[in-house]
Formats: sequence, C-alpha cells, structure tokens
Amino acid sequence: SQQGEEDPQALSIQEGENATMNCSYKTSINNLQWYRQNSGRGLVHLILIRSNEREKHSGRLRVTLDTSKKSSSLLITASRAADTASYFCATDPSYGKLTFGQGTILTVHP
Amino acid sequence: ETGVTQTPRHLVMGMTNKKSLKCEQHLGHNAMYWYKQSAKKPLELMFVYSLEERVENNSVPSRFSPECPNSSHLFLHLHTLQPEDSALYLCASSQGFGDGYTFGSGTRLTVV
Repeated sequence: SQQGEEDPQALSIQEGENATMNCSYKTSINNLQWYRQNSGRGLVHLILIRSNEREKHSGRLRVTLDTSKKSSSLLITASRAADTASYFCATDPSYGKLTFGQGTILTVHP
Repeated sequence: ETGVTQTPRHLVMGMTNKKSLKCEQHLGHNAMYWYKQSAKKPLELMFVYSLEERVENNSVPSRFSPECPNSSHLFLHLHTLQPEDSALYLCASSQGFGDGYTFGSGTRLTVV
C-alpha cells in the first residue's frame, strides 16, 4: 500500500526560483528519503533523514521532517533547468520495505 | 553509471516467451531489490534479498521468479507474462536496511 503522498502532483517554476515539495505519510517510520527520477530512468538518491532528525541540508537541498504531523518537505533553492525531473519521497515503516509515493513532477523553465 | 547495472535496457516479449532480467551491483551492498514502475502508479516493491536470502515476496504473481546466486547479482525470470506486466523494472541495492538505495537505469519491458 502507498505510504507517502507528495504534494503538489506537478510544479512549474522559473529558473532561479525555489521549489518546495511536500510529503505526507501514514504510519511511524525509521527514516524518510527523497529521490529524483529523470524521464524513464532509474531513481537517484538525494537525501535521507532519520526519524530523530528535524532538518537536513545537502547543497541546494533542504529537507525537513515533522514526525508529529507525519510530513516532510523538500526545498530546492535557486532551481536550474537541470532540476527538471520527478521527485519521490519514500518511507520505510518496516526495514527493507521502502515504499514510494506517486511523485511530484517539477518543471523548471529557463 | 551508478554502480548498479541492469540488462537489457529494453525488452519486447510475447506472452509465451521466457526471458530474464539481470542486475549486477559493484558496490559491496548486502541487500538487493526489484521494483516495478507502471504509468500513473507508485513504485511497487516486488522482492527483497538480504545476503542472498529472500526476505520479502510482496504478493507477486508466480510468473515472476527471482534468483540471487550471490550478493552481487540478482535476476528476475519471466514466463507467460500478460500485457499489463509491461512496465519499467528497476533493480536497487543498499548497504543495509535503513540506508539509501542505489538504483539501476531499469529495463523497459513490453509484453505483446
């Protein structure tokens, strides 16, 4: 069953703007991960945040986690056309069963 | 290259054919996974292997048969598939459970 749900389903912005994607989930988790997928390709791991962490940074990426609200957000700052992709959150309510949401399609216009 | 290699990249097969998908990882990871990605659907976890032992079989039809001969290789054997099995099949590996996954580029399967 689907654990994480991303919002919005699609996001269209201009280069240089920030992009924020949200993820909500239903059950308790060990960690939450964000992945990127370019069209028809494999997924690329972006960042992992553990259940006892509240915020994590990696380059232009900032991820927050609120376990009380069962939600996470991914912020991409100063977006580039190359950031155009689908972004997925994934949760592991049980180790070894990483479960993905439907994804947010991000389009960054030059 | 991510360190996880899937072959073939594309596969077209008839419903009576038998074929196999191959996944190889050069990362020294202990866990390997098969996922199915269909249009308009979230990724579906199919099988999980840890140290060559299958630990998860997510209610997958028996026409899909996994094999993990060693910690670096994972196969998905296919037989008598249905057109609705057409999808992108993704292999992934991780150092352990609870770590980030490294995905291969996938095999685009079309069943005719």
